[in-house]
Amino acid sequence: GEDVEQSLFLSVREGDSSVINCTYTDSSSTYLYWYKQEPGAGLQLLTYIFSNMDMKQDQRLTVLLNKKDKHLSLRIADTQTGDSAIYFCAESKSNTGKLIFGQGTTLQVKP
Amino acid sequence: EAQVTQNPRYLITVTGKKLTVTCSQNMNHEYMSWYRQDPGLGLRQIYYSMNVEVTDKGDVPEGYKVSRKEKRNFPLILESPSPNQTSLYFCASSPDRQGYEQYFGPGTRLTVT
Repeated sequence: GEDVEQSLFLSVREGDSSVINCTYTDSSSTYLYWYKQEPGAGLQLLTYIFSNMDMKQDQRLTVLLNKKDKHLSLRIADTQTGDSAIYFCAESKSNTGKLIFGQGTTLQVKP
Repeated sequence: EAQVTQNPRYLITVTGKKLTVTCSQNMNHEYMSWYRQDPGLGLRQIYYSMNVEVTDKGDVPEGYKVSRKEKRNFPLILESPSPNQTSLYFCASSPDRQGYEQYFGPGTRLTVT
């Protein structure tokens, strides 16, 4: 089936690391994505990982993929107030390009 | 600037009055798609297009039409809008025909009364 699950809310202090978790069910997914949505704005593609990779690092962002457990995580190092947003995990269906999104995790960064 | 644009950004209309939401990308992308975002339901795909003149249904196509006459444009047409089509709509495009690495427009908030 198609199901992507995320926790709904995460609160951290400025300067701490944030870890947002996601689980998915479709083992045939080829790419997994993290998108960021700020209030009133569209979805910004943050990073993505191919399903045959375990880890990808891009500046303050680290994506970890555990394909056996179908678990994806996004770590944001040195979290800033500007990182406050909703973060969506998504998997893509290779034959249609359809993105299956999680419900989104609201990240609150306290000064 | 490489981007996906949508117009209008906000629209309030009445039931039954035909409307079109335009989507345009300047990145020469092959793949384009429409999603709607609703509270508690997340984002769901409406239609997608892998190439000019090639379109296909997503998960929630009822009440919508699309066309892809040229590569850069992918308008979403609501022939007879109904209140259950009140939603936030996003257009997306991808350089890859399979839809990898999709970039989203700013969204169109539609209210149908």
